Amino acid sequence: GDSVTQMEGPVTLSEEAFLTINCTYTATGYPSLFWYVQYPGEGLQLLLKATKADDKGSNKGFEATYRKETTSFHLEKGSVQVSDSAVYFCALKSSGSARQLTFGSGTQLTVLP
Amino acid sequence: EPEVTQTPSHQVTQMGQEVILRCVPISNHLYFYWYRQILGQKVEFLVSFYNNEISEKSEIFDDQFSVERPDGSNFTLKIRSTKLEDSAMYFCASSDRAPREGYTFGSGTRLTVV
Repeated sequence: GDSVTQMEGPVTLSEEAFLTINCTYTATGYPSLFWYVQYPGEGLQLLLKATKADDKGSNKGFEATYRKETTSFHLEKGSVQVSDSAVYFCALKSSGSARQLTFGSGTQLTVLP
Repeated sequence: EPEVTQTPSHQVTQMGQEVILRCVPISNHLYFYWYRQILGQKVEFLVSFYNNEISEKSEIFDDQFSVERPDGSNFTLKIRSTKLEDSAMYFCASSDRAPREGYTFGSGTRLTVV
């Protein structure tokens, strides 16, 4: 079945550091890929998405490129801020008729001033 | 921006009691979902609902769970006889005809079974 593997956290960075959170997936066909963010005490918010190979999703300075050849969708940001501290989830929706999302285990990011 | 609203935000219940978690999806969405997140673990799919019936469910969604759309706006998850291991954050989500574009999640209900 489908699965998503994220780098284990927690990740602690200083403000303005470069961020990479690795995400790889296993799925048949061409899934849609998502990054969700969960700020402390809040629900899941869609951060960015990509629906086909080589698409780049971007939002709020975050980027991720759908790499079919490496089955990856790594999240990057050039300069993190304290306000980016949150848990980040990589997720996929398979290309078939099933509508459910399959999530990774989440990566806790803490940005220190 | 349209929101998915969940109530209550936190519910404490005794083991063996029934609980109903409530959600108001985005009004023009057609597909509704429940997910749960046990503390410190990954978000897990429970069930999806379309056209007044369950369209998919996971192994977690056993006979003690049920979902209902009692009127035109609410979507509920009922747990008939809660167990300690049902303690989790429960998220409702909704999507339109094109879920490839992403789902909108509510802020969750934290269920604590004591």
